[in-house]
Amino acid sequence: GAGVSQSPSNKVTEKGKDVELRCDPISGHTALYWYRQSLGQGLEFLIYFQGNSAPDKSGLPSDRFSAERTGGSVSTLTIQRTQQEDSAVYLCASSPSGNYNEQFFGPGTRLTVL
Amino acid sequence: DQQVKQNSPSLSVQEGRISILNCDYTNSMFDYFLWYKKYPAEGPTFLISISSIKDKNEDGRFTVFLNKSAKHLSLHIVPSQPGDSAVYFCAASGSSGTYKYIFGTGTRLKVLA
Repeated sequence: GAGVSQSPSNKVTEKGKDVELRCDPISGHTALYWYRQSLGQGLEFLIYFQGNSAPDKSGLPSDRFSAERTGGSVSTLTIQRTQQEDSAVYLCASSPSGNYNEQFFGPGTRLTVL
Repeated sequence: DQQVKQNSPSLSVQEGRISILNCDYTNSMFDYFLWYKKYPAEGPTFLISISSIKDKNEDGRFTVFLNKSAKHLSLHIVPSQPGDSAVYFCAASGSSGTYKYIFGTGTRLKVLA
């Protein structure tokens, strides 16, 4: 079955460049989440989208990070002027409306900033 | 400041034996807890959860125990199977209605055949 997909699976970039990470949630899931996992750390909440409501951006670490969700489906996480500390695995998850307790995760994008 | 801690980064268990993965938390406002399992190159998958009104929840070979006074939860896998080899994350939230989970750093379980 179609799960959550993310692209690219790996991204290597140079410090100062912008990157875009893409997430395709499970069809029909209204909630979408972005997390990141830095080396030796747990999953860190970044941003949450629910339907047409304003997203909860409280987890974004700086204004270099932004995310959009177009048409209530695909989401893009953009990191501007990347820094080495942005290197991490970025995970996207989706869940059906009202069921936060079972989030379905994608395989993640491993970002390496040189 | 790690609010959810998994102090054992790795654990090895013989096939057929019990695996016990531990998780400690510091925030007494947490009242909902989950365990996720993660295989290499895949995203985490939900395994089992427990609300703070319970002290035990069982699903097949997996049982989660919650000790609120000690702010401790554990995941028991009995009997352990080689396919259980994965990284296990515990997560906590302030209520079952919130999406903001705080995750631990994970414990890598290896079940030896």
